[in-house]
Amino acid sequence: SYVLTQPPSVSVAPGQTATITCGGNNIGAKTVHWYQQKPGQAPVLVVYDDTHRPSEIPERFSGSNSGKAATLTISTVEAGDEADYYCHVWHSSSESRGVFGPGTKVTVL
Amino acid sequence: QVQLQESGPGLVKASETLSLTCSISGASVNNGHYYWSWIRQPPGKGLEWIGSIYSTGTTYYNPSLKSRLTMSIDTSNNQFSLRLTSVTASDTAVYYCARQYYDFLSGPAHFDYWGQGTPVTVSS
Repeated sequence: SYVLTQPPSVSVAPGQTATITCGGNNIGAKTVHWYQQKPGQAPVLVVYDDTHRPSEIPERFSGSNSGKAATLTISTVEAGDEADYYCHVWHSSSESRGVFGPGTKVTVL
Repeated sequence: QVQLQESGPGLVKASETLSLTCSISGASVNNGHYYWSWIRQPPGKGLEWIGSIYSTGTTYYNPSLKSRLTMSIDTSNNQFSLRLTSVTASDTAVYYCARQYYDFLSGPAHFDYWGQGTPVTVSS
């Protein structure tokens, strides 16, 4: 089965940039999506197809996929960005197709 | 405005069957651009994909649940359902239904709309 890796936690001061990585075998060949989940709430899509942002998501959220890792970048971090972030791929070549990363807790200092 | 709403029992006894339904408004389960999916989250843990179903009835299941899982789609009532048999304490989780975009070239993709989630506890 396909496995995604993420750092358990990232800490960032307000106004700074948070970077969350998502690793996996040949992840550059995958299409990566990112979700934000605040306590007690359902996940919200923040980036899809590596780099695209839903219209309601601030431009401060951006994504990339270099091949070695996919990355979610949150620029000019605000207190309201404190949440868990999950990467996700659809792995067509295995039976376990829907794969989530373990999640990264972003703490705003 | 697309909305999804999960419904079902919050408490299920071990060894029995869990049945959940997701009711959809603002979108049609017949829309060929989407799969319809279930995802769960055990207390204090991460997200786990359960399975996805298309309007034609085509399904993809998590292999770890496949032997106990059945998903179905009800086009007349614009809803889809999950049935998980022989539940144990490890099935205790918040269960989410979600709409999954379908790219005709690359297949199922991102989950763009989620329900609020329904907590399910398996009791012994």
